[in-house]
Amino acid sequence: DTAVSQTPKYLVTQMGNDKSIKCEQNLGHDTMYWYKQDSKKFLKIMFSYNNKELIINETVPNRFSPKSPDKAHLNLHINSLELGDSAVYFCASSPGDSGETQYFGPGTRLLVL
Amino acid sequence: GQSLEQPSEVTAVEGAIVQINCTYQTSGFYGLSWYQQHDGGAPTFLSYNALDGLEETGRFSSFLSRSDSYGYLLLQELQMKDSASYFCAALNQAGTALIFGKGTTLSVSS
Repeated sequence: DTAVSQTPKYLVTQMGNDKSIKCEQNLGHDTMYWYKQDSKKFLKIMFSYNNKELIINETVPNRFSPKSPDKAHLNLHINSLELGDSAVYFCASSPGDSGETQYFGPGTRLLVL
Repeated sequence: GQSLEQPSEVTAVEGAIVQINCTYQTSGFYGLSWYQQHDGGAPTFLSYNALDGLEETGRFSSFLSRSDSYGYLLLQELQMKDSASYFCAALNQAGTALIFGKGTTLSVSS
C-alpha cells in the first residue's frame, strides 16, 4: 500500500490555466506539507497543515492555495499558472510530534508552457 | 533566519567511505535530519540526530555536534546504488516545517 500518494504524476499546461494537485496519506499522520523543488533540486517548504489547520504559510504567491478536506488529504490549487511555477511539487506527511521525520509522496512534475 | 550549508558534489568509488558535512545557522535548533533522493525519485528519510554524537543505521551513520553547529552523514562500503542527492535538514524555529540544505550529489563509480 502506498503511504503518501499524489496525482497527477505529470502535469503539462499552458500559462494562465488553473490546476490542482491531490495528495493523500494513509499513515494516520497529523501533519501534511507541500514542498516545491526547483531545477537546481532546492527543496522549499510551501505549506503545512496540522489537523486541518494551516500552521505555516511561507512567502508563496497567493495564487497557490492549499485545501484539506480531512486529515488524510491536502490538495494544492494553483491559479493563473506562470512559467516560473514549473517545478516538482512534493507532498509529505509526518506524525504530530516528529516533524523531523517526513514521508514524501512521489512528486508531481509540473511544466508550464 | 536559518540556513544549512553542505558541499554540492562528492565523488567516490565503490567500497569506499564518504563523509558529507553540513553546517547550520538556526534561530532555534531541535536536531538534524538527513534525506536521500535518487534522480526522479522522492526524498526518503535516512536519520535524525537530536543529541550530540553518532547514530548508526547499517552502512550509514550520522553525527551531530551542537556546540559546533555541525553534522555529517557517513556512508560506508559504498555501492553504486548510493549515487543520489543527500540533504541535511532542520526544523524551523517554530518547529513546524523542515528547512533543507541545497543537497550534495554523490556519484559512486566502479
